[in-house]
Amino acid sequence: GAVVSQHPSRVICKSGTSVKIECRSLDFQATTMFWYRQFPKQSLMLMATSNEGSKATYEQGVEKDKFLINHASLTLSTLTVTSAHPEDSSFYICSASGGVNTEAFFGQGTRLTVV
Amino acid sequence: AQSVTQLGSHVSVSEGALVLLRCNYSSSVPPYLFWYVQYPNQGLQLLLKYTSAATLVKGINGFEAEFKKSETSFHLTKPSAHMSDAAEYFCAVSVRQAGTALIFGKGTTLSVSS
Repeated sequence: GAVVSQHPSRVICKSGTSVKIECRSLDFQATTMFWYRQFPKQSLMLMATSNEGSKATYEQGVEKDKFLINHASLTLSTLTVTSAHPEDSSFYICSASGGVNTEAFFGQGTRLTVV
Repeated sequence: AQSVTQLGSHVSVSEGALVLLRCNYSSSVPPYLFWYVQYPNQGLQLLLKYTSAATLVKGINGFEAEFKKSETSFHLTKPSAHMSDAAEYFCAVSVRQAGTALIFGKGTTLSVSS
């Protein structure tokens, strides 16, 4: 299958700082990317959907000013957690799709710890 | 609204035994159904998917699942468990085409003992 690379795999940041997570499709053009959040021992919850060149669509309850998503190219989407707090600590996973009726491939996830 | 329910948050089997992980879905339109596996601190790997073709779907690593509309179920099975199958398993549904956002179940942890 296609490869989606997420970076970094782990990050520790101080409370109040911002952290950027990158999601790259390495061998296909991702017209749509999805960002999920996973709390310990829990399922994945969709945070937002981004289409290349458009503003992201956020799920209910997700603060768009806190979780900034940029999908400026067909191979890269970024999630920036602004003014991070300990409650933002979580596992963030992206997936990328080449379009309708094509499979969405997942990145390996980013473990964010805010101290 | 669509939803997925995975029965049993933790399943334990012996090596060589049958694996059965249960998934029921709710959808007002024909669903697309998926099973993913997740190893600790890693992303998700697709095991198999149902997209309205054959109701018995074969996936990787010897897993298969059967779509039963009358029971709204999509249970995952494997005839003989291996130690390497120990992981977290997620059932997911999408009511649109593949390549769109997924709604996940809460996951089932599979433990395999020797």
